[in-house]
Amino acid sequence: ETGVTQTPRHLVMGMTNKKSLKCEQHLGHNAMYWYKQSAKKPLELMFVYNFKEQTENNSVPSRFSPECPNSSHLFLHLHTLQPEDSALYLCASSPRGSRGEDTQYFGPGTRLTVL
Amino acid sequence: SQQGEEDPQALSIQEGENATMNCSYKTSINNLQWYRQNSGRGLVHLILIRSNEREKHSGRLRVTLDTSKKSSSLLITASRAADTASYFCATAQFKAAGNKLTFGGGTRVLVKP
Repeated sequence: ETGVTQTPRHLVMGMTNKKSLKCEQHLGHNAMYWYKQSAKKPLELMFVYNFKEQTENNSVPSRFSPECPNSSHLFLHLHTLQPEDSALYLCASSPRGSRGEDTQYFGPGTRLTVL
Repeated sequence: SQQGEEDPQALSIQEGENATMNCSYKTSINNLQWYRQNSGRGLVHLILIRSNEREKHSGRLRVTLDTSKKSSSLLITASRAADTASYFCATAQFKAAGNKLTFGGGTRVLVKP
């Protein structure tokens, strides 16, 4: 739909598991983002990548590890998560990574449940 | 504290009525954007208004911005059942490292047929 795909769409994992979320954008954008959306909380920005370089880490715990091998792909590696990490994880991309008006295009999200 | 806060948190209207929701923010901004999210899905960009603009239209959407009051409103006219969704405002502050959006908590809108 929007040119941003996320896999898997649903994920259930135990606290000792290691898993990865994948995001791919087909829009030729230069910036990519990870957000966390929990029930009854505002959308929280986690990480920002501009031209493959991480430019923002919003005090995210180290059990979340992002990776951006190129401008089209973004991963979020998960290990030893806590039940409170259960949420909808949204990936987004935007055309420009530098100053200027920029709208973000979101993927459908991965619904993560940590048991 | 969050930058954008929407009011009301929830809104229920009949099809054909207008829906108005407000957003307040705390710091100076470069632009303000509104997004829509259908249940459990990603957000979709609706409209962007720059800090030097006061009003903007897009189809059935009308957005106003009052920088002196640090507030914005989104009006959906002649609502349809398909407008049922959550609506979020997001404020943009330009940083040397790039654009950053801060989202509010959203307004859940239910349009009853």
